[in-house]
Amino acid sequence: GAVVSQHPSWVICKSGTSVKIECRSLDFQATTMFWYRQFPKQSLMLMATSNEGSKATYEQGVEKDKFLINHASLTLSTLTVTSAHPEDSSFYICSVVAGAANTQYFGPGTRLTVL
Amino acid sequence: AQSVAQPEDQVNVAEGNPLTVKCTYSVSGNPYLFWYVQYPNRGLQFLLKYITGDNLVKGSYGFEAEFNKSQTSFHLKKPSALVSDSALYFCAVRASNQAGTALIFGKGTTLSVSS
Repeated sequence: GAVVSQHPSWVICKSGTSVKIECRSLDFQATTMFWYRQFPKQSLMLMATSNEGSKATYEQGVEKDKFLINHASLTLSTLTVTSAHPEDSSFYICSVVAGAANTQYFGPGTRLTVL
Repeated sequence: AQSVAQPEDQVNVAEGNPLTVKCTYSVSGNPYLFWYVQYPNRGLQFLLKYITGDNLVKGSYGFEAEFNKSQTSFHLKKPSALVSDSALYFCAVRASNQAGTALIFGKGTTLSVSS
C-alpha cells in the first residue's frame, strides 16, 4: 500500500494563530487526498477532498476559509487551520487513494492543541 | 445514502478466544468494504478489503472478514485473539461505482483483549 507521512505529529499553539499541517505521499503520486478530523474515541469526520491542481471540495459545515487546503503537487497536500481556537483542537488525519478499489491509506495523524 | 453501522462500542474477549467485531452497511449498488485498525494517537492501518469474489477475505495479522450480501454485513473475525489486538476498529464502505470518493466510516468498536 501507499506510505503516507504527516508533519508535524503534534503541535500546540496559542489561540488566534495559524497552523499548517503537511501530508505527503512518499511512494505514490496522489491526485486525490482526503482530510479528516477525529475527536477522542469518535469516528473520522471527512472535512474535505483535496485535488491536485484544483480547489478542494469541502464537506457541509466545514468552513473553507478557516481550513485552507492546498494540493500543489502529486505528493503534497497541506491543511492550514487559520485563527485557531480551542474548539479546533483535534486529531487531523490525511489519506491517499491508491490501488485496487481505491483503497485509502492513512497518515499517522497530527494532534493539534489550541490553548 | 451510504452508511455503516458498528453496533458495539466495545468488545471484550480473553486472549486465545475467537473474536468478532460486527459491521453492517447500506449502499446503493455493489459495495467495497474495508476494515481498519487504529492504535492510540496513530493513524488508521488498513487490515483488509472486500471488492468481489470469495466472500471470506483474509487480511493482516490473522484477521479475516466475511461478506454476507443478504445480511449486508461484513464482520471482522480472528480465530485466536492476542492482547496486542486491543485497539479501535473501523469498518468502512463505498459504492463500487463511486471511485475516488471518500470512504464512509462506522463509529468504531474498541476491542479489549485480556490476558
